[in-house]
Amino acid sequence: DAGVIQSPRHEVTEMGQEVTLRCKPISGHDYLFWYRQTMMRGLELLIYFNNNVPIDDSGMPEDRFSAKMPNASFSTLKIQPSEPRDSAVYFCASSLSGKNTEAFFGQGTRLTVV
Amino acid sequence: AQKITQTQPGMFVQEKEAVTLDCTYDTSDQSYGLFWYKQPSSGEMIFLIYQGSYDEQNATEGRYSLNFQKARKSANLVISASQLGDSAMYFCAMTSTGANSKLTFGKGITLSVRP
Repeated sequence: DAGVIQSPRHEVTEMGQEVTLRCKPISGHDYLFWYRQTMMRGLELLIYFNNNVPIDDSGMPEDRFSAKMPNASFSTLKIQPSEPRDSAVYFCASSLSGKNTEAFFGQGTRLTVV
Repeated sequence: AQKITQTQPGMFVQEKEAVTLDCTYDTSDQSYGLFWYKQPSSGEMIFLIYQGSYDEQNATEGRYSLNFQKARKSANLVISASQLGDSAMYFCAMTSTGANSKLTFGKGITLSVRP
């Protein structure tokens, strides 16, 4: 397996534009997590899914953020409209339920909103 | 609710020496797992080691060991024989092993290895 794949790797957009981040988890994994990493806040959990169902979205900062997982092999995180304070690295991770199973991270998407 | 606390602002260690990175946690779950991840300057998140709450022995993976003290709710990472390549950010994380397992991270610790 190629691991967790995120796209794009880098995104620069203007304030007010819609941004869509994409994630392909490892095949067979039933958990998918979206994190945001900034210097000030560290690694924040935004939302996570189990078997494609959103379980906890309490970390989503505002209504401008939304996430979907239409099937087991694809998830999106959308920001509309984007703001400069959304600039961060966004990570997607997936894991397999059960004991002793670590989460595997994608390479991240570095988002810059100007 | 789960909470991970990493309070060391930054750590320095001499090459070839051992270093301990602190992590305390709080949870109401009886069954949970603890993880350490490494994030080098390149940005990727690398899994290092796992400890289950019911594991009787401390986990070890090569030069990494986890000093698990359940009563104190601490899960410190010990890196033996530090190498220059160990310079990175280190994150402690935890998850419950029940249904709907949320993976929560601490704020991380920066480790710098001096030659």
